[in-house]
Amino acid sequence: GESVGLHLPTLSVQEGDNSIINCAYSNSASDYFIWYKQESGKGPQFIIDIRSNMDKRQGQRVTVLLNKTVKHLSLQIAATQPGDSAVYFCAESLYSGNTPLVFGKGTRLSVIA
Amino acid sequence: DAGVTQSPTHLIKTRGQHVTLRCSPISGHKSVSWYQQVLGQGPQFIFQYYEKEERGRGNFPDRFSARQFPNYSSELNVNALLLGDSALYLCASSWTVNEKLFFGSGTQLSVL
Repeated sequence: GESVGLHLPTLSVQEGDNSIINCAYSNSASDYFIWYKQESGKGPQFIIDIRSNMDKRQGQRVTVLLNKTVKHLSLQIAATQPGDSAVYFCAESLYSGNTPLVFGKGTRLSVIA
Repeated sequence: DAGVTQSPTHLIKTRGQHVTLRCSPISGHKSVSWYQQVLGQGPQFIFQYYEKEERGRGNFPDRFSARQFPNYSSELNVNALLLGDSALYLCASSWTVNEKLFFGSGTQLSVL
């Protein structure tokens, strides 16, 4: 069945450094991927998405990379700030099949000032 | 513009009771999804509704039910509450069924 997992459950980075959060997915048919950020006491907040016909997409300070060969997704955050501290989830779905988003367990990012 | 709003924010119930959680989507969004998030885990899909019709159901028992109203708001109902139902219940809205989801802050349900 579908499953989304993360390599690292926690990640600590120095303020100003770049952060890389990784995610592995098991369903090779998944064609839509999203990164969410969840702060304590809040719901997940959309960061960036990517479809399987792309291998890279950039937003403001964030870049998502998709490697379909090894079924790997990563989120890069440039110049990490204290406000980036949160739990980050990757999620996948079969866009063309209208399937629901399946979330991984999440990675906690801690920014050290 | 208002985001997804959920009520109540917190709720305490005892085993065997029934609960109703409410959600108002972002204006213009016609799809509402419900997720359960247990502490330390990612959200788990419960239901998705679009134009008042159920479009998907996750692996949850029949004690869980939902509906969507003509104004696109939604209710999640859980009967015969169990201790294991304690979780954060998240509602999300989207334009259609396969677009990115925008989440509310959730309802924290505690079953004692």
